[in-house]
Amino acid sequence: GQQLNQSPQSMFIQEGEDVSMNCTSSSIFNTWLWYKQDPGEGPVLLIALYKAGELTSNGRLTAQFGITRKDSFLNISASIPSDVGIYFCAGLYYGGSQGNLIFGKGTKLSVKP
Amino acid sequence: DGGITQSPKYLFRKEGQNVTLSCEQNLNHDAMYWYRQDPGQGLRLIYYSQIVNDFQKGDIAEGYSVSREKKESFPLTVTSAQKNPTAFYLCASSIDRGRGFSNQPQHFGDGTRLSIL
Repeated sequence: GQQLNQSPQSMFIQEGEDVSMNCTSSSIFNTWLWYKQDPGEGPVLLIALYKAGELTSNGRLTAQFGITRKDSFLNISASIPSDVGIYFCAGLYYGGSQGNLIFGKGTKLSVKP
Repeated sequence: DGGITQSPKYLFRKEGQNVTLSCEQNLNHDAMYWYRQDPGQGLRLIYYSQIVNDFQKGDIAEGYSVSREKKESFPLTVTSAQKNPTAFYLCASSIDRGRGFSNQPQHFGDGTRLSIL
């Protein structure tokens, strides 16, 4: 079946640094979504991408829908402590008449000790 | 404020017991979903419902059951047949127009953490 490879699995950030993470697949997706999850809470949608090549920003966050439709990346500029959490990508594809949404395993952002 | 409410936040299950997790939404969304989240894993779909009185199995439906008697409510029962129920359960909803998840992003509740006694 369809699978998403999200990387890195985890990373440490220092305040002010830029952060980058991505999701790749061997399959084509129609929509890419990026979520952030804080401990003990549900994921919150950050950015939704609907067209190949689309570049969308939300404050310090920028995400792109890869031109091949098989990947997407999320960048966070000038990170701040409240950026810590787990970031998930999700890809939507259509199989027959049905849409299917699958999630990456997440990228955990922590503060550098 | 519109949103999704899951209850309880924490739940404990005894051996052989069925437990029910509540999910209510006042967003007037058609579609509702249940996901299971294990540490270090992505979300896995248990069941989803696109319309009242109809629901479909997701990827890991065994040991779970759902009902959709009202548009606002989509309770999940974790049955005794689910041998490894300890996980974080997330309910979500979205506007849906007959193509599964469509292009409408999903909104999530704050989850229920289920543990075994």
